[in-house]
Amino acid sequence: GAGVSQSPSNKVTEKGKDVELRCDPISGHTALYWYRQSLGQGLEFLIYFQGNSAPDKSGLPSDRFSAERTGGSVSTLTIQRTQQEDSAVYLCASSLGGLEQFFGPGTRLTVL
Amino acid sequence: GENVEQHPSTLSVQEGDSAVIKCTYSDSASNYFPWYKQELGKRPQLIIDIRSNVGEKKDQRIAVTLNKTAKHFSLHITETQPEDSAVYFCAASIGGFKTIFGAGTRLFVKA
Repeated sequence: GAGVSQSPSNKVTEKGKDVELRCDPISGHTALYWYRQSLGQGLEFLIYFQGNSAPDKSGLPSDRFSAERTGGSVSTLTIQRTQQEDSAVYLCASSLGGLEQFFGPGTRLTVL
Repeated sequence: GENVEQHPSTLSVQEGDSAVIKCTYSDSASNYFPWYKQELGKRPQLIIDIRSNVGEKKDQRIAVTLNKTAKHFSLHITETQPEDSAVYFCAASIGGFKTIFGAGTRLFVKA
């Protein structure tokens, strides 16, 4: 079946602009996660959604970052007033009730 | 806050040798420990995982050990092959949800 998809695959924006990154999880997966991966670095936890529970936002680096998940499926990560340090690959993953996470291909964000 | 330390950051071995990657975690409530492999330009993929009620788990050439008292867990790859070359990430989570990853180990297997 279809895996996790993300769009756009690449996004170049100017400092100060807002961006929206989209994630389509595997159908039926109840948990959805967002991570940030800077060049050559590890995966930094940002936020996760599980079913109808309140999301765990403890990894969001600032109030410029927000995410929502509509209808328990598609998720959007929004970064407002982008800064150069926001440049990274943003990875989304989904899982069936936790445990093995299936990752999307990522969105490479470049802030000029 | 929660933290996962991973060592070494880079590991180079000869084909056929073993490779060991070690991680420590800070949150004693962590009970699920997955390992992911990320090849160059690809997305991370789960290779093995272990839960806190198990001390060791093996799958062909890879094995993971867990010491809950010391909050250590390790990945062992035996008979390494060039296709094992990748970045390996350990992680710790409570119930498989909020997952904290280590910084990664870049493994080079020399033919």
